Amino acid sequence: RKEVEQDPGPFNVPEGATVAFNCTYSNSASQSFFWYRQDCRKEPKLLMSVYSSGNEDGRFTAQLNRASQYISLLIRDSKLSDSATYLCVVNFGGGGADGLTFGKGTHLIIQP
Amino acid sequence: NAGVTQTPKFQVLKTGQSMTLQCAQDMNHEYMSWYRQDPGMGLRLIHYSVGAGITDQGEVPNGYNVSRSTTEDFPLRLLSAAPSQTSVYFCASSRGNEQFFGPGTRLTVL
Repeated sequence: RKEVEQDPGPFNVPEGATVAFNCTYSNSASQSFFWYRQDCRKEPKLLMSVYSSGNEDGRFTAQLNRASQYISLLIRDSKLSDSATYLCVVNFGGGGADGLTFGKGTHLIIQP
Repeated sequence: NAGVTQTPKFQVLKTGQSMTLQCAQDMNHEYMSWYRQDPGMGLRLIHYSVGAGITDQGEVPNGYNVSRSTTEDFPLRLLSAAPSQTSVYFCASSRGNEQFFGPGTRLTVL
């Protein structure tokens, strides 16, 4: 069973605040994890990979909790431009696209 | 580099019509794939290809055909369009696990 679950939101957050959301996955043998960002009516783009040791890129931090089977994304000092849908993606073991399962996305709205 | 390009951007079809969605990439990626995205659903894999001459089915292949005669091109054919195929279609090429998506084709089947 390959399932990736996300809270669809929307998360309404004031500019400058910190926001975090999680994604749970079904298979403990899952190999790799990613966060993609999708702007309205645009294509998804890779935001960051999620490593076992965690991953930080500027204001964005991604964490992996294998024991509880979830990954998280934390956004600090949020900007209006962070408004988007964030897709959680899990590779359940295939060699490429056939191994990837996309979550339905979490919609984030940063308010001025 | 143009990346991944898709044509057309928008298309309206009548039930039963056939058409081909075009996809091309200039990154020399071996792996290419087609997804559809529907409201309230995650991206779902239709077909994929690991290289020229090799294709395989994804999660939702019914009603679609693909071919891969060159590394660059990966067209998706709708054989007989149905209203259930109304969706946004994304083509992607990949290097390792990172998917590079095209801008999408918005298809409406009446």
